[in-house]
Amino acid sequence: QVQLVESGGGVVQPGRSLRLSCAASGFSFGDYAMYWVRQAPGKGLEWVAVIWFDGRQKHYADSAEGRFTISRDNSKKLLYLQMNSLRAEDTAVYYCAKDLIKTAVSGTGDYWGQGSLVTVSS
Amino acid sequence: QSVLRQPPSVSAAPRQEVTISCSGGSSNIGNNFVSWYQQFPGTAPKLLIYDNEKRPSGIPDRFSGSKFGTSATLGITGLQTGDEADYYCGTWDSTLSAMVFGGGTKLTVL
Repeated sequence: QVQLVESGGGVVQPGRSLRLSCAASGFSFGDYAMYWVRQAPGKGLEWVAVIWFDGRQKHYADSAEGRFTISRDNSKKLLYLQMNSLRAEDTAVYYCAKDLIKTAVSGTGDYWGQGSLVTVSS
Repeated sequence: QSVLRQPPSVSAAPRQEVTISCSGGSSNIGNNFVSWYQQFPGTAPKLLIYDNEKRPSGIPDRFSGSKFGTSATLGITGLQTGDEADYYCGTWDSTLSAMVFGGGTKLTVL
């Protein structure tokens, strides 16, 4: 069965960095685009970034552009989100999600991880 | 401000039906498939509807989806107290090259 497990969250001071990981299993990881989506406390879902199945294309939300970097290691079935220059408004639960269809980007996440909480606070 | 627009809340009695609307534009709903997600407090979103109207395995047929033009609708019949959750619509925006969501709708089953 498909499993996505995030790790790397925690409490970090403003301006510092953090790297989230998402370990995938139960599907052919290298065939699917992957997403990071976050949810601030009491708020709705906010897309953060997407990476194509082969890693050749990446897109970011305006709030993440220039500070966050999405990457993947298909040989290890791992997805990453490197977050630099963190701000209080980046405080959220970060979810990784798998795209619905192979070798394309559909905008649909059919499986989601349990989430990793990132708290940016001094 | 979310790219897609949903009502903040809807409510209905048990065994009744409810619809949740999702409005967008030509770059998102108008030219891409719509998905719906169900989220209970403290848990991850779960895919409820994809490709406008299809249900993943295990989702009961009480849940349905439709799309017309730049709007989509989630329908739930035979409401149960266990359906109380937040519901989000989502799609791809071809102009933004972004996954976009509605602001979410809280369903209360009175």
